[in-house]
Amino acid sequence: GAGVSQSPSNKVTEKGKDVELRCDPISGHTALYWYRQRLGQGLEFLIYFQGNSAPDKSGLPSDRFSAERTGESVSTLTIQRTQQEDSAVYLCASSLPGVSYNEQFFGPGTRLTVL
Amino acid sequence: DQQVKQNSPSLSVQEGRISILNCDYTNSMFDYFLWYKKYPAEGPTFLISISSIKDKNEDGRFTVFLNKSAKHLSLHIVPSQPGDSAVYFCAASAGASGSRLTFGEGTQLTVNP
Repeated sequence: GAGVSQSPSNKVTEKGKDVELRCDPISGHTALYWYRQRLGQGLEFLIYFQGNSAPDKSGLPSDRFSAERTGESVSTLTIQRTQQEDSAVYLCASSLPGVSYNEQFFGPGTRLTVL
Repeated sequence: DQQVKQNSPSLSVQEGRISILNCDYTNSMFDYFLWYKKYPAEGPTFLISISSIKDKNEDGRFTVFLNKSAKHLSLHIVPSQPGDSAVYFCAASAGASGSRLTFGEGTQLTVNP
């Protein structure tokens, strides 16, 4: 079956521009997570969706970051007025809570480069 | 503060030998621990996990040990194979299913033929 997919795979943008990253979770997975990985670092939690609501968005680093999820499926992460420190790989994961305790399935990520 | 730490950024072992990757945590609320493997340009893939009510979980060549009193866990791979060469991340979660994972910085494992 299809895994988690993300688009685009790479995004190069200029400082100050807005970017939108997309995640398609595994069909039927009600939980969806966004993480980011800066160069040489571990994964940093950004936001968690259960269905279409976000009970935990405490990891969003600033109000320039927002995310939404519709139809308990696709999610988009939007970064407004991008800064160079936003350069990272943005990873999306999905899971089916209660079945495999917190086993999250990751997509390949979107590599964002802010010039 | 770094709640999950992997103090060795890299580890090199010979094919057929044992690989031991270590992870320490500080948050006593963590009750579930996972190891993920990551190849370049791919997302992390789940490898093995352990609940805090256990001290060992084994799956084929992979065994995870948990020492709660020391807040330490380790992943043993035996025998190591060249295809095991990847970055290994330790992760932890607290509370109910669906909560966030807190990751360590990762350890690059290289298995030499």
